[in-house]
Amino acid sequence: GNSVTQMEGPVTLSEEAFLTINCTYTATGYPSLFWYVQYPGEGLQLLLKATKADDKGSNKGFEATYRKETTSFHLEKGSVQVSDSAVYFCALPGGGADGLTFGKGTHLIIQP
Amino acid sequence: EAGVAQSPRYKIIEKRQSVAFWCNPISGHATLYWYQQILGQGPKLLIQFQNNGVVDDSQLPKDRFSAERLKGVDSTLKIQPAKLEDSAVYLCASSLGNRGGIQYFGAGTRLSVL
Repeated sequence: GNSVTQMEGPVTLSEEAFLTINCTYTATGYPSLFWYVQYPGEGLQLLLKATKADDKGSNKGFEATYRKETTSFHLEKGSVQVSDSAVYFCALPGGGADGLTFGKGTHLIIQP
Repeated sequence: EAGVAQSPRYKIIEKRQSVAFWCNPISGHATLYWYQQILGQGPKLLIQFQNNGVVDDSQLPKDRFSAERLKGVDSTLKIQPAKLEDSAVYLCASSLGNRGGIQYFGAGTRLSVL
């Protein structure tokens, strides 16, 4: 089935720093790709998605581009804030039905 | 619009006891998922329903876990008997059912098995 590998944390940055969280995938075909975020004490919520190669998903200053050549979907943000502190998950459909396969998550800590 | 509702939020049981979790998806969402999230890991799909039929239960430990979605709306996930390694957060999600569509997650039920 499909799988995803993302960099493990924790990742600690200062406010206004540039952020990259790496995600690579293995998939049959070209499934949609997702980034979900889990803020402290809250449930998972969709951050952004891309549905085909070269698509760029964006939301709240975060961006990720679907790169089929490198099978990657890296998450980036130009200037992080303390409020971005959370756990970020890269995900894609598992390969059969469309239940998601998630990476292990990257814990991001932003210091003022 | 109301989100995905789950209850209870927390549950503590002893091993070999049974436990049940309830989920009410977003109104009109045909597809419902149950995931297990062990501490420090990403969620793992347990079962997926389309309306009241099972689409994928390949990762559900069927000797102890069961789930149903009667009438194609609410769903219940049961563990009987529980083991220590079942300690996790159980997440319910729902979607409209279109391929690649967005899944909306509930806050989850945190289960501790002692």
